[in-house]
Formats: sequence, C-alpha cells, structure tokens
Amino acid sequence: AAGVIQSPRHLIKEKRETATLKCYPIPRHDTVYWYQQGPGQDPQFLISFYEKMQSDKGSIPDRFSAQQFSDYHSELNMSSLELGDSALYFCASSLEGRATIHEQYFGPGTRLTVT
Amino acid sequence: GIQVEQSPPDLILQEGANSTLRCNFSDSVNNLQWFHQNPWGQLINLFYIPSGTKQNGRLSATTVATERYSLLYISSSQTTDSGVYFCAVGSLGSGGYNKLIFGAGTRLAVHP
Repeated sequence: AAGVIQSPRHLIKEKRETATLKCYPIPRHDTVYWYQQGPGQDPQFLISFYEKMQSDKGSIPDRFSAQQFSDYHSELNMSSLELGDSALYFCASSLEGRATIHEQYFGPGTRLTVT
Repeated sequence: GIQVEQSPPDLILQEGANSTLRCNFSDSVNNLQWFHQNPWGQLINLFYIPSGTKQNGRLSATTVATERYSLLYISSSQTTDSGVYFCAVGSLGSGGYNKLIFGAGTRLAVHP
C-alpha cells in the first residue's frame, strides 16, 4: 500500500539559510499534518491542512510557513534557520472529512541539521 | 489542552519477557494511537485504538475510554522491540480537526 512520502530524508543547512521540506500524502487522504521532534523529545504538532486550507496551528515559529497544493502535496518552508531548528520533521496524513476513523499515517521523516 | 502521561519512562527487559506500557489521558478522545519509534527514527503505527481491544502478533492493546487510559502489551519480547513507544491522542478541537498530542514515551531496551 502507498505510504506518506517525504523528501529530502536528510538535509544539512547553515544558520540563517532557508529549507523546504516536501510531503506527499497517501492518495485520497484529505488532511496533512506537520510535526517537529527535537532530540530526545516527543513529536510536537506544527500545522495542519484540510482540503488545501490551513485547519489548525500549533507552536510553529513565524519563520516557518506551509501550504498544501492542488495535488494535495504539502511543503514546509523554513527561513532564517537557527541551531534549535535541528530536528526530525514528520508529515502525516489522514482521511477526515466524513470519516469515522481518524488514524494518522506518518512518513519516514526529514532529519534537518543546522550548523 | 489534553495531557498525556506514559509510564514507565524507561524499561529494561530480558529477551522473552512480557511487559505492559500505560498511557493516561486527561479528557475524552476520538483518536488514540500507539507508535514504535525505531533507532532510525521512523514512527511505526502499532495500533489505532480509541476504544476496545486489538491484537497483532505478540502485541496487543486495550483502551478503556471511560477511564481514560490505554495499555500496550508486549509478549515474548525480542531485541528488535527496542526503541521508544509513544502513545498519542487526538480530539476534535474547535476547528473539528484532529492533531495528535504525544506522551513523553517509554524507552524500552531488550537485552539478549
């Protein structure tokens, strides 16, 4: 079965640079979520999109922005990178809408290292 | 917001032993998932279990929604079971959407 695809899998950037992470949800899933997991921490919700509209927002820095495109893939844009942005970034997708099952499926993650 | 507490925080087992991991949550939920995070960082879905009992091989899970807790059982543990086990819950917020709130995890080490 198709899974959530994330690219790139690894990314190394320097401070003050920008980064773009991409997520391709499971086909026919209408909702995409982004989570950030710092070293030794649990994943923290950043932002979500339902049917290409932002649906919820967590503790996402103003330096970060995200969007979902017409083909349902999503991109997380990160500017003015800081050392503290080094983390594992997960994308997840689910079928919400009128669904009664709300299971989220996670991608393999993008490991961002800021030097 | 919803609080999620997992116990124990750390667990060391000998291969072949059984274990029970617990997840307590502070409010009613419409989503509860158990994940295994392997040493490479991948989050592997174990169970979607907002209520009831499920089994998958050596793993099983039970959620008692009315009492706001879930249990993950690992039987006949293997070294490949090592890693961090997360419980995550979601509820339909004001926007009607379903972000997951994760517990701090249980770090499991299985020794041969």
